[in-house]
Amino acid sequence: DAGITQSPRHKVTETGTPVTLRCHQTENHRYMYWYRQDPGHGLRLIHYSYGVKDTDKGEVSDGYSVSRSKTEDFLLTLESATSSQTSVYFCATLSRVSSGANVLTFGAGSRLTVL
Amino acid sequence: ELKVEQNPLFLSMQEGKNYTIYCNYSTTSDRLYWYRQDPGKSLESLFVLLSNGAVKQEGRLMASLDTKARLSTLHITAAVHDLSATYFCAVDGGSGNSGYALNFGKGTSLLVTP
Repeated sequence: DAGITQSPRHKVTETGTPVTLRCHQTENHRYMYWYRQDPGHGLRLIHYSYGVKDTDKGEVSDGYSVSRSKTEDFLLTLESATSSQTSVYFCATLSRVSSGANVLTFGAGSRLTVL
Repeated sequence: ELKVEQNPLFLSMQEGKNYTIYCNYSTTSDRLYWYRQDPGKSLESLFVLLSNGAVKQEGRLMASLDTKARLSTLHITAAVHDLSATYFCAVDGGSGNSGYALNFGKGTSLLVTP
């Protein structure tokens, strides 16, 4: 998993409560990403970061915010969780492999259930 | 908007048979990726294709890229049960639009049966 740790790995919460998912990396990668995976949709980009305090929106950013105060940590926050945000959330980092290509490496995922 | 389409989305095949998964994408890109995901697990990088005509092989899997047709294929030769998984293709959106983020297809769920 290239030094990527996601926490919590599983969470059940109720509609309307705030939730924060954490992604921690130990490889000093500049780029970090949050995706969500839902059946029938593949993976969709929520937000990404290109450096400390530098973030931007992805395809499905509504209802989510992010923060990156340190290179190693990228936080995803659901200010008021809704049932439509029940999903598996994957964090990823961008690294360059031996061929010279940039490759996304994914964490283990965080399964969130909103009741 | 970059769109990535895979087909088929579901594939059941017998051991020993050959098959091809197709990945079409909508805008110009010369970087295409294939990932594998086992149930309940994360995504594992299989292939990185960086240019037109690129071909990569690993065991019973071979991936190719035709940037002019905006098409990549993942060919499975003599399938075995261990290849059962979901396979995703993904296209690099480029640094300008989304910081090298990948746009993913919906995935092809492959089941290899005896």
